Amino acid sequence: DTAVSQTPKYLVTQMGNDKSIKCEQNLGHDTMYWYKQDSKKFLKIMFSYNNKELIINETVPNRFSPKSPDKAHLNLHINSLELGDSAVYFCASSRSGQADSPLHFGNGTRLTVT
Amino acid sequence: GENVEQHPSTLSVQEGDSAVIKCTYSDSASNYFPWYKQELGKGPQLIIDIRSNVGEKKDQRIAVTLNKTAKHFSLHITETQPEDSAVYFCAASTVRSGSRLTFGEGTQLTVNP
Repeated sequence: DTAVSQTPKYLVTQMGNDKSIKCEQNLGHDTMYWYKQDSKKFLKIMFSYNNKELIINETVPNRFSPKSPDKAHLNLHINSLELGDSAVYFCASSRSGQADSPLHFGNGTRLTVT
Repeated sequence: GENVEQHPSTLSVQEGDSAVIKCTYSDSASNYFPWYKQELGKGPQLIIDIRSNVGEKKDQRIAVTLNKTAKHFSLHITETQPEDSAVYFCAASTVRSGSRLTFGEGTQLTVNP
């Protein structure tokens, strides 16, 4: 049973296109996240939702729009893709939004913009 | 905001040797310090964590130490095995940062058989 699953695993697209990444968790957690990992492996938080409510919105271009239809799902839609958006995007969840609540990551979506 | 520095960026050891990865943090209010292991093609996975009211924590071959005065914490892996090869990330957070973890830049550990 996959705890945090995200699709697709690989996404290759051209500049200017719009794409979505989907994430689902079956852990019953209240909080979900999107992280971006660049080519140097640096992990940076993008968004966090707690019970469908946006609680963290880092300095991310507004071309990125998260959507949480329910607390088990958090999708990421990206408009007008740019070359610099190429990265691995990780979805994660945690039991609560507390700072010491361990994160459970999905296996990532490798986005390549050509 | 919080800044976490991690060293070394790469570490190569022989199987059976010990490996040590060190991190420093800037916010003295930080009180939670997890370590994550990322294997190739997978997401990071929590391997051990420590809170600021504890100086050391062990779990089989891995241990973490925390020095609040110096604002640094370390991961120790003993009797390394090839399957320990991965990227390791330290992180820090404070209560006031909510669920925002600040990660170090990662250490690529290679255990040579």
